[in-house]
Amino acid sequence: ETGVTQTPRHLVMGMTNKKSLKCEQHLGHNAMYWYKQSAKKPLELMFVYSLEERVENNSVPSRFSPECPNSSHLFLHLHTLQPEDSALYLCASSQVGGNTGELFFGEGSRLTVL
Amino acid sequence: GESVGLHLPTLSVQEGDNSIINCAYSNSASDYFIWYKQESGKGPQFIIDIRSNMDKRQGQRVTVLLNKTVKHLSLQIAATQPGDSAVYFCAVSPNSGYSTLTFGKGTMLLVSP
Repeated sequence: ETGVTQTPRHLVMGMTNKKSLKCEQHLGHNAMYWYKQSAKKPLELMFVYSLEERVENNSVPSRFSPECPNSSHLFLHLHTLQPEDSALYLCASSQVGGNTGELFFGEGSRLTVL
Repeated sequence: GESVGLHLPTLSVQEGDNSIINCAYSNSASDYFIWYKQESGKGPQFIIDIRSNMDKRQGQRVTVLLNKTVKHLSLQIAATQPGDSAVYFCAVSPNSGYSTLTFGKGTMLLVSP
């Protein structure tokens, strides 16, 4: 148990569906992240929120829309996805100003786009 | 930008052996280096870190070595156990104040009894 909980763990959706991934952290951290993990590729940073404000967006397609309503919750809204978006989506949290590399990851949401 | 590469996609060892996983990075100004472990079906888990002002750091059964001259990072696992079987990632972070890490692809460590 890492203190970061992601739901759902598995999601299958069609290209025209709209769904959301949810992440909740119980560690009192002030920064949250979405990463994409595809087979045989390094982890790709998608979004960073620090103190609930988006501070980094690595040019992710607009079909991915993040939302951070408070420091404990993070969402990734999905719409009109493509099959190549199938991947493991990992949420992470950290304490800005603390150990900068110590991200705490959730177990991921495995997304399959048909 | 930074690029991070691992030397081997897979490493197979016998239980009890020492394991060494290697990583190379490109940006000589990188300040912070981290190793993560990812077991099947789980998210990455922090193992050990090292800053650029150090050459070596030890944890429980793990040692990280940093060679800034050749931009090389290694993770040594002593007395490898079946429970160490996982994918190991190195990651490099600039001293930006945010946890913006560049990850390598990962080396799968397979430990046989």
